[in-house]
Amino acid sequence: EAQVTQNPRYLITVTGKKLTVTCSQNMNHEYMSWYRQDPGLGLRQIYYSMNVEVTDKGDVPEGYKVSRKEKRNFPLILESPSPNQTSLYFCASRLQPSETYEQYFGPGTRLTVT
Amino acid sequence: KNQVEQSPQSLIILEGKNCTLQCNYTVSPFSNLRWYKQDTGRGPVSLTIMTFSENTKSNGRYTATLDADTKQSSLHITASQLSDSASYICVVTPRRGTYKYIFGTGTRLKVLA
Repeated sequence: EAQVTQNPRYLITVTGKKLTVTCSQNMNHEYMSWYRQDPGLGLRQIYYSMNVEVTDKGDVPEGYKVSRKEKRNFPLILESPSPNQTSLYFCASRLQPSETYEQYFGPGTRLTVT
Repeated sequence: KNQVEQSPQSLIILEGKNCTLQCNYTVSPFSNLRWYKQDTGRGPVSLTIMTFSENTKSNGRYTATLDADTKQSSLHITASQLSDSASYICVVTPRRGTYKYIFGTGTRLKVLA
């Protein structure tokens, strides 16, 4: 089944403890992206990648890192999480970078930082 | 001010009734306008996509319309079902080359039995 998977789905952590949220897609998509979703706000883009080894900042990149060493994987790294990073996170992918292509979303990761 | 604004923020209707959700946008020029359905705690799933030259697009009981002159779109749900309870998100993509999706904040729909 074609899909975007994320792990973990739920995570509670403490301030300053490094964490990684994994994202994987099995559709051979070139473009991958991370978003966060907060109450009352639309999805906001954190980072995106147009292909292997090519990443760039989105609208809210502060406090996050990403890497794209393989086409299928695009992990999101929080080196020193803070409470304002408590949010619902979505990974997404599409076949090509062009916005005309349909984007597929993962199931989400709910992160709580205390 | 958001580039994509949706109304109402939330809506409660009875099963079997119709409803219409609104999306106003300022993104210009734009390439596509999409409507997504997002069940609670799940990722958004695409319902419809329209280019700037299309006026309407249907997907089962969901019909989206677009008026590019007034920069407005609507999503009409016919004969609502309990499973329609979700958030509906309007997404506008600027003209080719920007790679960005611009998301509205969504309308939360609750369908009651």
